[in-house]
Amino acid sequence: QKEVEQNSGPLSVPEGAIASLNCTYSDRGSQSFFWYRQYSGKSPELIMSIYSNGDKEDGRFTAQLNKASQYVSLLIRDSQPSDSATYLCAVKIAGAQKLVFGQGTRLTINP
Amino acid sequence: DAGVTQSPTHLIKTRGQQVTLRCSPISGHKSVSWYQQVLGQGPQFIFQYYEKEERGRGNFPDRFSARQFPNYSSELNVNALLLGDSALYLCASSSYSGGAYNEQFFGPGTRLTVL
Repeated sequence: QKEVEQNSGPLSVPEGAIASLNCTYSDRGSQSFFWYRQYSGKSPELIMSIYSNGDKEDGRFTAQLNKASQYVSLLIRDSQPSDSATYLCAVKIAGAQKLVFGQGTRLTINP
Repeated sequence: DAGVTQSPTHLIKTRGQQVTLRCSPISGHKSVSWYQQVLGQGPQFIFQYYEKEERGRGNFPDRFSARQFPNYSSELNVNALLLGDSALYLCASSSYSGGAYNEQFFGPGTRLTVL
């Protein structure tokens, strides 16, 4: 079992709709969770961090965390073509300083 | 404020050669981590340094080494390059407070091609 799993996609969403990206992780002791956006040929850009169960909203982005289910998600409301990118879920493993990444979900927003 | 900087941007080497990649963290950040990202995959952790000491090492061979300097900049060295070392090498910096490392911010990366 991979430490962090994401559906690789591609996920295609019409402009203006809600895009939902999901991630599961295996280490129950993990405390810190992050979403990065990566445009083709560029480096990852941090867009959300979440540490507690529940929802965290920042503009059009909402991160959701459920530690009991070992599940973290990212919702993008009013999706724009500029949101088309690969979204990487990252988990900071308990007792370690490293981030463990999923393979990323490629999201395409169709005008 | 300047973000994380890395040099060079691109690099082409042949098998068996050695390469040095450089990274300068965000001002005030004392922790630097290195990741390797192969096309189509998420980044894989290589090293973390804090206050010039190695604090974490990923599952990479001894051909990979790194160090951190007094100004908190860092170098990643890879010896005896293999074709499979072709990847985007990412440096991330973070601050440290309250007994924990904070969010990691990535530099633009160095694209290494091994022929």
